[in-house]
Amino acid sequence: EAQVTQNPRYLITVTGKKLTVTCSQNMNHEYMSWYRQDPGLGLRQIYYSMNVEVTDKGDVPEGYKVSRKEKRNFPLILESPSPNQTSLYFCASSRFRSTDTQYFGPGTRLTVL
Amino acid sequence: DQQVKQNSPSLSVQEGRISILNCDYTNSMFDYFLWYKKYPAEGPTFLISISSIKDKNEDGRFTVFLNKSAKHLSLHIVPSQPGDSAVYFCAAGLEYGNKLVFGAGTILRVKS
Repeated sequence: EAQVTQNPRYLITVTGKKLTVTCSQNMNHEYMSWYRQDPGLGLRQIYYSMNVEVTDKGDVPEGYKVSRKEKRNFPLILESPSPNQTSLYFCASSRFRSTDTQYFGPGTRLTVL
Repeated sequence: DQQVKQNSPSLSVQEGRISILNCDYTNSMFDYFLWYKKYPAEGPTFLISISSIKDKNEDGRFTVFLNKSAKHLSLHIVPSQPGDSAVYFCAAGLEYGNKLVFGAGTILRVKS
């Protein structure tokens, strides 16, 4: 089954404790992206990757890091989480670019205390 | 500064009637527009898209209209069904670009 998986689905952590949210896709997609969803703000793009070892900032990259060492995986790293990073996070992938149909993961609900 | 705006946070429609969801954008460089639908506890799913070279695109019960001069697009759902109840996000970008900008979303409730 073609899918994007994210782990964990739910996470409660404390300020400053480094965490990683994993994302994996099995569709051999070139393009992957991370979004956060907040009430009244919709989905905002954090980082995206056009291919292995090619990543770039989206609209809200501050406080986040990503890596793309393999085509299928695109982890999101919060080196020192803060309460304003409490949000619902989605990973997505598409064949080549942002305007191709993006397939989203089920989301990760993160709470930073 | 939101480049893509969905000014109606919610919309309630009777089953069988038309649902019209609206979206405005400010960046005249955008040339590709998409609608995604999201159910609770799931990720968004692609619904329909339109390139700026067209002013209408139809897929079954869903039609997207684009008015470039007004920087406005709308999604029409006819007839509306209870299963259409979801959050609808409008998104815009460059067709061969890397970024995508989403609106805040509109919650659609279709009453049976």
